[in-house]
Amino acid sequence: AQSVAQPEDQVNVAEGNPLTVKCTYSVSGNPYLFWYVQYPNRGLQFLLKYITGDNLVKGSYGFEAEFNKSQTSFHLKKPSALVSDSALYFCAVRDMLRDYKLSFGAGTTVTVRA
Amino acid sequence: EAGVAQSPRYKIIEKRQSVAFWCNPISGHATLYWYQQILGQGPKLLIQFQNNGVVDDSQLPKDRFSAERLKGVDSTLKIQPAKLEDSAVYLCASSPAGAYNEQFFGPGTRLTVL
Repeated sequence: AQSVAQPEDQVNVAEGNPLTVKCTYSVSGNPYLFWYVQYPNRGLQFLLKYITGDNLVKGSYGFEAEFNKSQTSFHLKKPSALVSDSALYFCAVRDMLRDYKLSFGAGTTVTVRA
Repeated sequence: EAGVAQSPRYKIIEKRQSVAFWCNPISGHATLYWYQQILGQGPKLLIQFQNNGVVDDSQLPKDRFSAERLKGVDSTLKIQPAKLEDSAVYLCASSPAGAYNEQFFGPGTRLTVL
Protein backbone atom coordinates (compact mmCIF):
# COMPACT_ATOMS: atom_id res chain seq x y z
CA ALA A 1 0.00 0.00 0.00
CA GLN A 2 1.10 3.54 -0.66
CA SER A 3 2.09 5.84 2.18
CA VAL A 4 3.57 9.23 2.90
CA ALA A 5 5.75 10.31 5.83
CA GLN A 6 6.36 13.85 6.96
CA PRO A 7 8.98 13.37 9.66
CA GLU A 8 8.67 16.81 11.22
CA ASP A 9 5.50 17.90 12.98
CA GLN A 10 6.76 21.48 13.12
CA VAL A 11 9.29 23.62 11.30
CA ASN A 12 10.30 27.03 12.61
CA VAL A 13 12.31 29.51 10.56
CA ALA A 14 13.07 33.20 10.57
CA GLU A 15 11.68 35.38 7.82
CA GLY A 16 14.11 35.61 4.92
CA ASN A 17 15.73 32.25 5.68
CA PRO A 18 15.35 29.15 3.51
CA LEU A 19 12.43 26.88 4.28
CA THR A 20 12.41 23.11 3.78
CA VAL A 21 9.54 20.75 4.56
CA LYS A 22 10.43 17.08 4.24
CA CYS A 23 8.41 14.30 2.66
CA THR A 24 9.18 10.68 1.87
CA TYR A 25 6.86 8.23 0.16
CA SER A 26 6.35 4.55 -0.48
CA VAL A 27 4.61 3.18 -3.57
CA SER A 28 4.77 0.04 -5.65
CA GLY A 29 4.64 1.74 -9.02
CA ASN A 30 5.39 5.22 -10.26
CA PRO A 31 4.35 8.05 -7.95
CA TYR A 32 2.36 11.14 -8.65
CA LEU A 33 3.36 13.58 -5.88
CA PHE A 34 1.59 16.69 -4.64
CA TRP A 35 2.02 19.43 -2.06
CA TYR A 36 -0.92 21.27 -0.53
CA VAL A 37 -1.10 24.09 2.01
CA GLN A 38 -3.88 24.66 4.53
CA TYR A 39 -4.55 27.96 6.27
CA PRO A 40 -6.73 28.06 9.44
CA ASN A 41 -10.41 27.33 8.82
CA ARG A 42 -9.84 26.88 5.12
CA GLY A 43 -9.60 23.99 2.72
CA LEU A 44 -6.39 22.73 1.17
CA GLN A 45 -4.78 24.74 -1.62
CA PHE A 46 -2.67 23.11 -4.31
CA LEU A 47 0.98 24.23 -4.44
CA LEU A 48 2.71 21.97 -6.96
CA LYS A 49 2.95 18.46 -8.35
CA TYR A 50 5.39 16.02 -9.86
CA ILE A 51 4.06 13.77 -12.60
CA THR A 52 7.04 13.08 -14.83
CA GLY A 53 10.01 14.87 -16.39
CA ASP A 54 12.25 17.40 -14.66
CA ASN A 55 12.93 16.45 -11.04
CA LEU A 56 12.74 20.08 -9.91
CA VAL A 57 9.18 21.33 -9.91
CA LYS A 58 8.21 24.96 -9.44
CA GLY A 59 4.87 25.94 -8.00
CA SER A 60 2.80 28.73 -6.50
CA TYR A 61 4.05 31.47 -4.15
CA GLY A 62 7.74 30.82 -4.90
CA PHE A 63 7.71 27.21 -3.69
CA GLU A 64 9.56 24.40 -5.41
CA ALA A 65 10.12 20.73 -4.74
CA GLU A 66 12.69 18.19 -5.82
CA PHE A 67 11.75 14.63 -6.71
CA ASN A 68 14.45 12.15 -5.69
CA LYS A 69 13.61 8.64 -6.82
CA SER A 70 16.56 6.91 -5.13
CA GLN A 71 15.72 8.47 -1.77
CA THR A 72 11.94 8.30 -2.39
CA SER A 73 11.67 11.91 -1.29
CA PHE A 74 9.82 15.00 -2.45
CA HIS A 75 10.93 17.85 -0.18
CA LEU A 76 9.26 21.24 -0.44
CA LYS A 77 11.52 24.29 -0.47
CA LYS A 78 11.39 28.05 -0.55
CA PRO A 79 14.59 30.11 -0.78
CA SER A 80 13.33 32.99 1.38
CA ALA A 81 10.41 32.41 3.74
CA LEU A 82 7.73 34.98 4.50
CA VAL A 83 5.62 35.35 7.65
CA SER A 84 2.59 34.71 5.43
CA ASP A 85 3.97 31.23 4.63
CA SER A 86 3.03 30.14 8.16
CA ALA A 87 0.51 27.35 7.63
CA LEU A 88 0.01 23.59 7.62
CA TYR A 89 1.63 21.75 4.72
CA PHE A 90 0.62 18.34 3.39
CA CYS A 91 2.48 16.02 1.07
CA ALA A 92 0.39 13.50 -0.88
CA VAL A 93 1.07 10.59 -3.23
CA ARG A 94 -0.81 8.54 -5.77
CA ASP A 95 0.47 5.12 -6.87
CA MET A 96 -0.47 4.94 -10.49
CA LEU A 97 0.21 1.24 -10.71
CA ARG A 98 -1.90 0.03 -7.82
CA ASP A 99 -4.32 2.62 -6.54
CA TYR A 100 -5.75 5.86 -7.76
CA LYS A 101 -6.44 7.02 -4.21
CA LEU A 102 -4.53 10.09 -3.00
CA SER A 103 -2.80 9.39 0.33
CA PHE A 104 -1.81 12.33 2.54
CA GLY A 105 0.89 12.70 5.13
CA ALA A 106 0.03 13.88 8.64
CA GLY A 107 1.13 17.42 7.87
CA THR A 108 3.88 19.79 8.96
CA THR A 109 3.14 23.07 10.70
CA VAL A 110 5.40 25.83 9.47
CA THR A 111 5.93 28.93 11.57
CA VAL A 112 7.89 31.82 10.11
CA ARG A 113 8.86 34.42 12.70
CA ALA A 114 9.41 38.04 11.82
CA GLU B 1 -13.93 30.61 -11.65
CA ALA B 2 -16.02 29.75 -8.62
CA GLY B 3 -14.46 27.29 -6.19
CA VAL B 4 -15.87 24.25 -4.45
CA ALA B 5 -18.78 25.21 -2.23
CA GLN B 6 -19.72 23.39 0.96
CA SER B 7 -22.42 23.85 3.54
CA PRO B 8 -22.87 24.13 6.39
CA ARG B 9 -19.49 25.39 7.59
CA TYR B 10 -20.07 24.27 11.15
CA LYS B 11 -22.39 21.74 12.73
CA ILE B 12 -22.81 20.61 16.32
CA ILE B 13 -24.96 17.56 17.05
CA GLU B 14 -25.39 14.99 19.79
CA LYS B 15 -24.34 11.39 19.35
CA ARG B 16 -26.89 9.16 17.63
CA GLN B 17 -28.31 12.13 15.71
CA SER B 18 -28.14 12.43 11.94
CA VAL B 19 -26.35 15.04 9.87
CA ALA B 20 -25.92 15.84 6.18
CA PHE B 21 -23.32 17.84 4.31
CA TRP B 22 -23.64 19.34 0.87
CA CYS B 23 -21.02 19.98 -1.79
CA ASN B 24 -21.14 21.79 -5.13
CA PRO B 25 -17.98 21.11 -7.18
CA ILE B 26 -16.31 23.31 -9.73
CA SER B 27 -18.32 23.35 -12.93
CA GLY B 28 -17.16 20.72 -15.40
CA HIS B 29 -15.19 18.65 -12.89
CA ALA B 30 -16.05 15.00 -13.39
CA THR B 31 -14.47 13.69 -10.21
CA LEU B 32 -15.70 14.49 -6.70
CA TYR B 33 -14.16 13.40 -3.42
CA TRP B 34 -15.20 13.43 0.23
CA TYR B 35 -12.46 13.40 2.84
CA GLN B 36 -12.48 13.17 6.62
CA GLN B 37 -9.80 15.20 8.39
CA ILE B 38 -9.40 14.46 12.08
CA LEU B 39 -7.46 17.02 14.11
CA GLY B 40 -3.73 16.45 13.76
CA GLN B 41 -4.04 14.12 10.77
CA GLY B 42 -4.02 14.40 7.04
CA PRO B 43 -7.26 14.06 5.08
CA LYS B 44 -8.52 10.50 4.59
CA LEU B 45 -10.54 9.64 1.51
CA LEU B 46 -14.06 8.46 2.29
CA ILE B 47 -15.52 8.19 -1.19
CA GLN B 48 -14.67 9.14 -4.77
CA PHE B 49 -17.21 9.68 -7.55
CA GLN B 50 -16.57 9.77 -11.27
CA ASN B 51 -19.58 11.63 -12.67
CA ASN B 52 -22.39 9.96 -10.71
CA GLY B 53 -20.71 6.57 -10.24
CA VAL B 54 -18.68 5.44 -7.23
CA VAL B 55 -15.00 4.76 -7.98
CA ASP B 56 -13.75 4.06 -4.44
CA ASP B 57 -15.65 3.81 -1.18
CA SER B 58 -13.38 1.32 0.54
CA GLN B 59 -12.82 3.56 3.57
CA LEU B 60 -16.43 4.69 3.99
CA PRO B 61 -18.03 3.24 7.16
CA LYS B 62 -21.08 2.05 5.29
CA ASP B 63 -23.03 1.10 8.39
CA ARG B 64 -23.44 4.78 9.21
CA PHE B 65 -22.12 6.86 6.32
CA SER B 66 -23.75 7.27 2.93
CA ALA B 67 -23.10 9.54 -0.02
CA GLU B 68 -24.68 10.26 -3.34
CA ARG B 69 -23.98 12.40 -6.34
CA LEU B 70 -27.16 12.88 -8.29
CA LYS B 71 -26.87 13.94 -11.93
CA GLY B 72 -23.08 13.98 -11.62
CA VAL B 73 -22.92 17.44 -10.06
CA ASP B 74 -23.81 18.19 -6.42
CA SER B 75 -23.16 15.65 -3.72
CA THR B 76 -24.38 14.98 -0.20
CA LEU B 77 -22.67 13.04 2.58
CA LYS B 78 -24.80 11.74 5.43
CA ILE B 79 -23.98 10.28 8.82
CA GLN B 80 -26.67 8.31 10.62
CA PRO B 81 -26.29 7.80 13.54
CA ALA B 82 -23.29 9.92 14.50
CA LYS B 83 -20.66 8.78 16.99
CA LEU B 84 -18.26 10.84 19.06
CA GLU B 85 -15.35 9.72 16.86
CA ASP B 86 -17.00 11.28 13.81
CA SER B 87 -15.98 14.72 15.07
CA ALA B 88 -13.79 16.02 12.28
CA VAL B 89 -13.65 18.36 9.32
CA TYR B 90 -15.32 16.96 6.23
CA LEU B 91 -13.71 18.19 3.06
CA CYS B 92 -15.14 18.03 -0.43
CA ALA B 93 -12.84 18.26 -3.42
CA SER B 94 -13.22 18.07 -7.18
CA SER B 95 -10.96 17.66 -10.16
CA PRO B 96 -11.12 17.12 -13.90
CA ALA B 97 -10.99 13.47 -14.93
CA GLY B 98 -7.43 12.10 -14.86
CA ALA B 99 -5.44 10.91 -11.86
CA TYR B 100 -2.58 13.34 -12.55
CA ASN B 101 -4.82 16.34 -12.00
CA GLU B 102 -4.70 18.25 -8.75
CA GLN B 103 -7.77 18.42 -6.58
CA PHE B 104 -9.54 21.64 -5.62
CA PHE B 105 -10.84 21.67 -2.07
CA GLY B 106 -13.80 23.39 -0.49
CA PRO B 107 -13.55 25.14 2.90
CA GLY B 108 -14.86 22.10 4.75
CA THR B 109 -17.55 21.43 7.33
CA ARG B 110 -16.42 21.20 10.93
CA LEU B 111 -18.56 18.61 12.73
CA THR B 112 -18.64 18.35 16.50
CA VAL B 113 -20.45 15.37 18.01
CA LEU B 114 -21.27 15.76 21.71
